[in-house]
Amino acid sequence: KAGVTQTPRYLIKTRGQQVTLSCSPISGHRSVSWYQQTPGQGLQFLFEYFSETQRNKGNFPGRFSGRQFSNSRSEMNVSTLELGDSALYLCASRTDIGETQYFGPGTRLLVL
Amino acid sequence: AQSVTQPDIHITVSEGASLELRCNYSYGATPYLFWYVQSPGQGLQLLLKYFSGDTLVQGIKGFEAEFKRSQSSFNLRKPSVHWSDAAEYFCAVGGPLNNNDMRFGAGTRLTVKP
Repeated sequence: KAGVTQTPRYLIKTRGQQVTLSCSPISGHRSVSWYQQTPGQGLQFLFEYFSETQRNKGNFPGRFSGRQFSNSRSEMNVSTLELGDSALYLCASRTDIGETQYFGPGTRLLVL
Repeated sequence: AQSVTQPDIHITVSEGASLELRCNYSYGATPYLFWYVQSPGQGLQLLLKYFSGDTLVQGIKGFEAEFKRSQSSFNLRKPSVHWSDAAEYFCAVGGPLNNNDMRFGAGTRLTVKP
């Protein structure tokens, strides 16, 4: 099976812009979670989608949003970008709660 | 609250030496525990996991970890480190108390000396 794929791998934006990141889960996985990784805060949970519904949410502002499509692919959107949003954004998929999450390679976002 | 502590930010070992990376967790029930490895610029790769059963868990690349409930620990071990093991290692806890989203430790960076 193909692994979790994320596009794009690298992205440069300027403050105030918005960005959309994409994640394609492993075939058969209905749960997709997003994480932000920064040197200062480490790995932080953003949200999880399951069957097109947000099932769980971390402690991030409303500028961070996501959605999931019927084929389980997920997108994450960040509006009004701030310098502090520069990070590696990781997507992970699993079949359901209680199962192992498998991570994609990440999208590295740089906000200038 | 659920949390994970990795006390060692950076560890250096010689190639061929044994390795132990520490992980302590706080969780109000029986946790699911994971160790992931991340090479520079890459995503996370699962090394091993503990859900239940045998407290000594074998993983990939020769790693193992032992769940010790009395010490709230899940330390990662390898008997003989290879230069290719240099990476960052993350311990994570998840479970029904938080809908199984994972809380990660801050990570331990492993350097391997030739």
